[in-house]
Amino acid sequence: DQQVKQNSPSLSVQEGRISILNCDYTNSMFDYFLWYKKYPAEGPTFLISISSIKDKNEDGRFTVFLNKSAKHLSLHIVPSQPGDSAVYFCAATPLGQNFVFGPGTRLSVLP
Amino acid sequence: NAGVMQNPRHLVRRRGQEARLRCSPMKGHSHVYWYRQLPEEGLKFMVYLQKENIIDESGMPKERFSAEFPKEGPSILRIQQVVRGDSAAYFCASSPREGNTEAFFGQGTRLTVV
Repeated sequence: DQQVKQNSPSLSVQEGRISILNCDYTNSMFDYFLWYKKYPAEGPTFLISISSIKDKNEDGRFTVFLNKSAKHLSLHIVPSQPGDSAVYFCAATPLGQNFVFGPGTRLSVLP
Repeated sequence: NAGVMQNPRHLVRRRGQEARLRCSPMKGHSHVYWYRQLPEEGLKFMVYLQKENIIDESGMPKERFSAEFPKEGPSILRIQQVVRGDSAAYFCASSPREGNTEAFFGQGTRLTVV
């Protein structure tokens, strides 16, 4: 049973436009959500997180939105840059337990 | 402040041998997580440890796999009698885990079983 889902395996966006990556979860005990970026042959790199008490968190070009009632979160990247091309993983955790990752979405930003 | 260090980066083992993967968490982090990534797949949770304790090993195969995080030294993921299906990238992450916080990942160990 996949508790964290990323239904789009891949996404292509033109440079300068907005990238929107989506994530859905099923476990209502999750209270902290994170996005990681991963390049080939490297470890995942933390991007941005959001607590369940918030519905938005912004850091530079990255904004994460959380809709608790829909059990849905999204990552917006504006403007998208070619260096953003990577696999993006959504992760969730209940306090004090392990992090559960989604299967990832491969983002390609086209120049 | 050094990041999470994993070694070796690449490990080749013949079927039936043992593989030992090491993870040194970030300074001040007492929580370690191990994940496995098979080709073209996401990160699958294996085990969550604190110093000298296994907190959650629900993602660990019941046989051949074990993990430890001793009071002194790195966390070790051990795979006995490796098989071809164990070939994967193994990532370690650490966190201070005082409340909600992110986990920081190492570069991973790529295990190839021949």
